[in-house]
Amino acid sequence: AQSVTQPDIHITVSEGASLELRCNYSYGATPYLFWYVQSPGQGLQLLLKYFSGDTLVQGIKGFEAEFKRSQSSFNLRKPSVHWSDAAEYFCAVAANSGYALNFGKGTSLLVTP
Amino acid sequence: DVKVTQSSRYLVKRTREKVFLECVQDMDHENMFWYRQDPGLGLRLIYFSYDVKMKEKGDIPEGYSVSREKKERFSLILESASTNQTSMYLCASRRQGTTNEKLFFGSGTQLSVL
Repeated sequence: AQSVTQPDIHITVSEGASLELRCNYSYGATPYLFWYVQSPGQGLQLLLKYFSGDTLVQGIKGFEAEFKRSQSSFNLRKPSVHWSDAAEYFCAVAANSGYALNFGKGTSLLVTP
Repeated sequence: DVKVTQSSRYLVKRTREKVFLECVQDMDHENMFWYRQDPGLGLRLIYFSYDVKMKEKGDIPEGYSVSREKKERFSLILESASTNQTSMYLCASRRQGTTNEKLFFGSGTQLSVL
């Protein structure tokens, strides 16, 4: 079965600094990949997704992610973090059309002044 | 605006009680899902349903059952609640055949079992 690993439980970044959140997936073929964000007290919001085509995908709020098949990774990046980006970030994978999403354990982002 | 509604935001129950968590969506979606969210464990899939009267076990179905009698409603049932089922429960829905599209999530039910 497909699964994702988010190696970093917590990350602290200074406001204005760049950000990279790691996600590794386990699946034989090309999976459907997603990044969701959950702000404190809020529901889950889709940041971006990948299922085919250009391996660099752009999302909302200035985020982007790159699919690297050779590394089984789908890392999330942002060039300059804002204090409002402090949240929990979840990477998710689905094996194929119609399958349920499997989520990683999440990475908690803290943004310092 | 599209909506997934979970009937209770907070719920407190006693051990061995039978608990019903209700989820209703107004988007005519075929697929519906139940996840639980625990600190440090992320979201874990309990059950999902591809369509009315269909259900599939997720990763952690033990202690739970589900009911999907109508397309818009997907109920999660704790047959005999236990303290280790204290958690945030999230319902989600999606149109059939749109795995590449986002899930629509409800706002969650925080269940405490005492």
